[in-house]
Amino acid sequence: EVQLVQSGAEVKKPGESLKISCKGSGYSFTSYWIGWVRQMPGKGLEWMGIIYPGDSDTRYSPSFQGQVTISADKSISTAYLQWSSLKASDTAMYYCARRATVTTAVDYWGQGTLVTVSS
Amino acid sequence: DIQMTQSPSSLSASVGDRVTITCQASQDISNYLNWYQQKPGKAPKLLIYDASNLETGVPSRFSGSGSGTDFTFTISSLQPEDIATYYCQQYDNLSITFGQGTRLEIK
Repeated sequence: EVQLVQSGAEVKKPGESLKISCKGSGYSFTSYWIGWVRQMPGKGLEWMGIIYPGDSDTRYSPSFQGQVTISADKSISTAYLQWSSLKASDTAMYYCARRATVTTAVDYWGQGTLVTVSS
Repeated sequence: DIQMTQSPSSLSASVGDRVTITCQASQDISNYLNWYQQKPGKAPKLLIYDASNLETGVPSRFSGSGSGTDFTFTISSLQPEDIATYYCQQYDNLSITFGQGTRLEIK
């Protein structure tokens, strides 16, 4: 069974750094692109970027380029999303999701990680 | 980036009604258009891929059509469990964009 299991909720202060994780299982982790999606409170889905764990090829949405870093450790089948200096506006639910190979869809999603940034 | 215009933003319908949501791309995306359902507090769920293909396990009352720039998502007979927000999503060479979402309510 394909699963993407994300790390738990975080509460941080503005200016702090953070790295959240997404562990894949039940499939070949290095053979599928993994993306990250932001959902701010009461708002829609925003695509942040995507990484191919096989060779760490990474693409960012223009809105998120330079704001976050996406990485992966294929030895432990885990993708990461990190911030060097959080802002209150980073408060959101963050989902990791797997891009299917045969189609253009995102076929599996993590359960989400809630990040709250507040002083 | 390709922009997606989804409408309506919200919709109220009765059980048994036919419901239609549209999505328009800012440029030709062939059939690279997918539809998702998101219930409150849950991750999105894939319903339709590549414009018109029903994901395994998804009820047949859900369907999609279109190609190029104009796409339609239909629920043939609305059920109470279909209350959710629906999103279209386009794919263009590893660049992905979602529509703004349609919140579906029961009248």
